[in-house]
Amino acid sequence: DVKVTQSSRYLVKRTGEKVFLECVQDMDHENMFWYRQDPGLGLRLIYFSYDVKMKEKGDIPEGYSVSREKKERFSLILESASTNQTSMYLCASSFTGQGNEKLFFGSGTQLSVL
Amino acid sequence: AQTVTQSQPEMSVQEAETVTLSCTYDTSESDYYLFWYKQPPSRQMILVIRQEAYKQQNATENRFSVNFQKAAKSFSLKISDSQLGDAAMYFCAYRSYYLSGGGADGLTFGKGTHLIIQP
Repeated sequence: DVKVTQSSRYLVKRTGEKVFLECVQDMDHENMFWYRQDPGLGLRLIYFSYDVKMKEKGDIPEGYSVSREKKERFSLILESASTNQTSMYLCASSFTGQGNEKLFFGSGTQLSVL
Repeated sequence: AQTVTQSQPEMSVQEAETVTLSCTYDTSESDYYLFWYKQPPSRQMILVIRQEAYKQQNATENRFSVNFQKAAKSFSLKISDSQLGDAAMYFCAYRSYYLSGGGADGLTFGKGTHLIIQP
């Protein structure tokens, strides 16, 4: 089975801190995604990457950046965390090719910014 | 841009009964995929069912089936013989059939429906 692992299940940070959320997938998928999930808003795409060192903005990229130095790892970076970035963050991956429309998700990181 | 609307924030059903979750979407495309994902309290998103827009036949996976009405842009999920393990958030999602230049596209999700199963 595909495994998408997010390094932290819960994270508490202070306003202004630099925050790294890490995601690793073990199926050699080309594509990786970061979503943010908020009650009543569903999932919203922050950034995605279709190859090493490649990144594309999603619907809500402001305040975030990403890094993909290795194919299996996709990091979400909050340069200066703010309270409005308190949320659940979900990482996902998929491969390019027939059947590539299915996303495999990690279990999420609940981030609280105080 | 595509939008996905789930008009029922919460639904409740008795165990063993049938429940239908609603989803509508807006798109100008003719080819696309539609999905229902389940998110139980464990937070792990699980794909429940998938439908290709070019297929007229409604997708079915065991107790889960969809009613896909392309002209009406409607994609409802029917859960038969509801079980306690079906309690979860359910998200409807859309993805274009043709990918943008990078070769990847994320899904566009609705806001979700919280399904409660009454024992």
